[in-house]
Amino acid sequence: DVVMTQTPPSLSVAIGQSVSISCKSSQSLVYSDGKTYLHWLLQSSGRSPKRLIYQVSNLDSGVPDRFSGTGSQKDFTLKISRVEAKDLGVYYCAQTTHFPRTFGGGTKLELK
Amino acid sequence: AVQLVESGGGLVQPKESLKISCAASGFTFSNAAMYWVRQAPGKGLEWVARIRTKPNNYATYYADSVKGRFTISRDDSKSMVYLQMDNLKTEDTAMYYCTAAGLAYWGQGTLVTVSS
Repeated sequence: DVVMTQTPPSLSVAIGQSVSISCKSSQSLVYSDGKTYLHWLLQSSGRSPKRLIYQVSNLDSGVPDRFSGTGSQKDFTLKISRVEAKDLGVYYCAQTTHFPRTFGGGTKLELK
Repeated sequence: AVQLVESGGGLVQPKESLKISCAASGFTFSNAAMYWVRQAPGKGLEWVARIRTKPNNYATYYADSVKGRFTISRDDSKSMVYLQMDNLKTEDTAMYYCTAAGLAYWGQGTLVTVSS
């Protein structure tokens, strides 16, 4: 199975700060079609997960451009610029290149 | 608007069975692979099962932790996906989410509790 390692497990941030979350996979996430199926999700407290970014760097509809995703092969990063209160929650990376699909362990973003 | 609505969760005893459902709307259900993902209390996300579309022979895939005990199925005429869970174990206790379109769409989840 592809192991997704997210760091850090938690982050304390002040409103307006910028933060980065790392996600490393145990195998390359490049599929045979040349695309990389690495996604970022946010789960706010008590809510279902919501996808923010798909295929490394594409923002889902309605996601502010304060969010950005970069990376390739096995090493990926989510950056949030100018954090707002509504950004708090647990962030997950997820891969849908290989079976079984796997998720990172999550990064909890909290207010400092 | 896209909606995924799960139902059928509840409290069951170990070794019992339960079938949960997901009703989809707002997208072309018959063209979409469908997934079940679960989240144990206070834990992260775990992919459970996937079912592909008719052109792909409704092929199914399961996590090792549920293989041989869970069965995913779909009814395209009703835009429904199901998860039949047999021989349930206490470690199957979780919120079960229905998801589609590469994790773009998620339901609100249905809670399954396995306890004696």
